[in-house]
Amino acid sequence: GQNIDQPTEMTATEGAIVQINCTYQTSGFNGLFWYQQHAGEAPTFLSYNVLDGLEEKGRFSSFLSRSKGYSYLLLKELQMKDSASYLCAVRDSDYKLSFGAGTTVTVRA
Amino acid sequence: NAGVTQTPKFRVLKTGQSMTLLCAQDMNHEYMYWYRQDPGMGLRLIHYSVGEGTTAKGEVPDGYNVSRLKKQNFLLGLESAAPSQTSVYFCASSSGEGSETQYFGPGTRLLVL
Repeated sequence: GQNIDQPTEMTATEGAIVQINCTYQTSGFNGLFWYQQHAGEAPTFLSYNVLDGLEEKGRFSSFLSRSKGYSYLLLKELQMKDSASYLCAVRDSDYKLSFGAGTTVTVRA
Repeated sequence: NAGVTQTPKFRVLKTGQSMTLLCAQDMNHEYMYWYRQDPGMGLRLIHYSVGEGTTAKGEVPDGYNVSRLKKQNFLLGLESAAPSQTSVYFCASSSGEGSETQYFGPGTRLLVL
């Protein structure tokens, strides 16, 4: 199974940068996903890492270190619409995802 | 192309009642999943399927049953609902290939009194 930890809450100012860390202990690592979930809605895909390094997608970037069991999601130029919960999920060799409890990001004007 | 749909969107049950949640996907995905999401606990896998006619237990399968008679549909059943099953239920599907993500349905809010 997987044990996935991420902070519960983070607050940042509009236009700033926020980094959400995720640590995991895994049996059979097969990729790490980040999802965004607005209140009352379904999770939506943000990023995927399977090899070490940084993946950049517009204002969002995600980093992975497999040897350290560590990932982060970087949100740049924060906008009010970025206020949401961000979920770290690790995929195993059976294509099942294990999720962290989520980090609620609040963006303030 | 509707993606993943779930019915119903909201339901109230009394303890001991039964119900079935329906998930449908039109992306020809092999893999389908049922999760529940509770405050502070994140998404937890109930059951999943790796293809038509197959099902397997996830992290929290007790009290639930599933069936995958058709590739596009994945049903979640509660035979005798309990207040502990009050939750938001999400269905998801994926092709399972490489970087392909799981696509989530809009969710079903279930309240068991």
